Amino acid sequence: GENVEQHPSTLSVQEGDSAVIKCTYSDSASNYFPWYKQELGKGPQLIIDIRSNVGEKKDQRIAVTLNKTAKHFSLHITETQPEDSAVYFCASPGNTGTASKLTFGTGTRLQVTL
Amino acid sequence: EPEVTQTPSHQVTQMGQEVILRCVPISNHLYFYWYRQILGQKVEFLVSFYNNEISEKSEIFDDQFSVERPDGSNFTLKIRSTKLEDSAMYFCASTGLKGYTFGSGTRLTVV
Repeated sequence: GENVEQHPSTLSVQEGDSAVIKCTYSDSASNYFPWYKQELGKGPQLIIDIRSNVGEKKDQRIAVTLNKTAKHFSLHITETQPEDSAVYFCASPGNTGTASKLTFGTGTRLQVTL
Repeated sequence: EPEVTQTPSHQVTQMGQEVILRCVPISNHLYFYWYRQILGQKVEFLVSFYNNEISEKSEIFDDQFSVERPDGSNFTLKIRSTKLEDSAMYFCASTGLKGYTFGSGTRLTVV
């Protein structure tokens, strides 16, 4: 099955700085890579995703890059704000597409300090 | 924005008791899921459900667990004879064209 590794486990940045979280996956047939933000006491919320036919996708201050050769994808948050503080999870469905089970990374706790 | 609704938000039960966690997926979604998150750990897949039957389940989802779609809107997870290690957040999810939508979860505490 799919194996997803995520780094770092914790990340502290100053407000306004950029944050980068990286994930690697094992199944070369994976074609969909979502990122989720989880705030305290809530469920994972999709913030951005990318499919394997593109290398980068951007949505305002958030971007995701994908390197299929190296089997890794990264989340980039620019101009961080205190409300960005949360746990972020990457995920991958492996070779079974978007409607199948997701394998999650271990999460990154992002702390944006003033 | 359509939501996945879960009830209750918090459930406390005694070891050995049965619990039923309830979910209302988004109405036009066809795939439904249960995931579990033990405190401080990653989210883990339990089971997926499509066309009124289980399509995939993990090794966690043993005979203690069952799922049901009793009517056109609800999707339930039943845990028989709960154990202390069943204490976790349980998330329901459904998928549509935009991928997964997760509910806010039920915190199950087994005492």
